[in-house]
Amino acid sequence: GAGVSQSPSNKVTEKGKDVELRCDPISGHTALYWYRQSLGQGLEFLIYFQGNSAPDKSGLPSDRFSAERTGGSVSTLTIQRTQQEDSAVYLCASSLDPTPADTQYFGPGTRLTVL
Amino acid sequence: GIQVEQSPPDLILQEGANSTLRCNFSDSVNNLQWFHQNPWGQLINLFYIPSGTKQNGRLSATTVATERYSLLYISSSQTTDSGVYFCAARDTGRRALTFGSGTRLQVQP
Repeated sequence: GAGVSQSPSNKVTEKGKDVELRCDPISGHTALYWYRQSLGQGLEFLIYFQGNSAPDKSGLPSDRFSAERTGGSVSTLTIQRTQQEDSAVYLCASSLDPTPADTQYFGPGTRLTVL
Repeated sequence: GIQVEQSPPDLILQEGANSTLRCNFSDSVNNLQWFHQNPWGQLINLFYIPSGTKQNGRLSATTVATERYSLLYISSSQTTDSGVYFCAARDTGRRALTFGSGTRLQVQP
């Protein structure tokens, strides 16, 4: 079956612009995660969605970052007024089981470059 | 939160050699995964192994939860094994994975 898909694969934007990144989880997966990978910070958690529960936003670095998940499936990560330090690869993951014993599967990522 | 440390940071092998990568974590975990990040950046699941031992072809992994470490073994390495290997763990207090800084493996022909 299809894995996690993300779009676009690459995004170049100018400082101050808003960007939207999309994630399509594996069909039937109820949990969805956003992470980012940058040179200085490694792989870090951003936000987590599980079913209809309130999302865990504890990893979002600033209020310029927000995310939503519509219909329990597709998710969009929005970064407003982008800064150069936002340049990174943004990774989405999904998992089937909300219990602790779930395996997270990652998408190919969106490489964001802020000029 | 949980701390995850990986060693060594870099490893260069000749094709056919064996290697052991280590992951130490600072707290009890209910999820531990090993990933291989290929040259295109894709994170590929290798093992879900919060405890015990698993094997998949030339790769195997062991997690000793009581001593808070996990090992990834690569036998008869091939050039296609090159890339970065990440260990990621989750403690009981949160849902997200915490990643180590990775081991960059280069297998030379």
